[in-house]
Amino acid sequence: EIVLTQSPATLSLSPGERATLSCRASQSVSNSLAWYQQKPGQAPRLLIYDASGRATGIPARFSGSGSGTDFTLTISSLEPEDFAVYYCQNRNNWQFTFGPGTKVD
Amino acid sequence: EVQLVESGGGLVKPGWSLRLSCVASGFTFSDYNMNWVRQAPGKGLEWLSFISGNTAYIYYADSIRGRFTISRDNAKNLLFLQMNSLRAEDTAVYYCVRGDWNYDFDHWGQGALVTVSS
Repeated sequence: EIVLTQSPATLSLSPGERATLSCRASQSVSNSLAWYQQKPGQAPRLLIYDASGRATGIPARFSGSGSGTDFTLTISSLEPEDFAVYYCQNRNNWQFTFGPGTKVD
Repeated sequence: EVQLVESGGGLVKPGWSLRLSCVASGFTFSDYNMNWVRQAPGKGLEWLSFISGNTAYIYYADSIRGRFTISRDNAKNLLFLQMNSLRAEDTAVYYCVRGDWNYDFDHWGQGALVTVSS
């Protein structure tokens, strides 16, 4: 079973600043990693697929990178609507695993 | 517009059963894999189950295998989750989620709250 670890748990930033979120897998997952954003009281939204592909309608300020075991989600300049919880997720052997999340506040 | 609307949540006692439904619209339902994902109050996301568009492939998380059953009715654009022997730790918001071409979760319902309490 693959375990995903996210850091930091909370990231305290201001609008306009750059956010760098980390996700680490317990074993190599190649580039099979997605990122989701969840705002309070809302369902999650797909941001990034295959580690670096931006999902439909996702602004260019969101970017993903990494492969193997270490992945990064970068928000180049935080907008007020970007303050949320971010989850990484992997699919392996038909088990879909989420990380514990990073809260950007 | 893709829409997923869950129903069937509520308050039940430990050991009881409950069936969640999700009606899909805005896309060809049978062409897509579907999933159930839950979120306990104040906690993270937990994937529960996957069903392929033609129902040939079904997968479960270890935490619910043997107690929960996923199914679908493509003629009626419906996804189901039958939950048996419910426990307090099953208390969560349950999301109906569409899987895209890459098996990513590209559309989510608004969620159905299930509370298991005596």
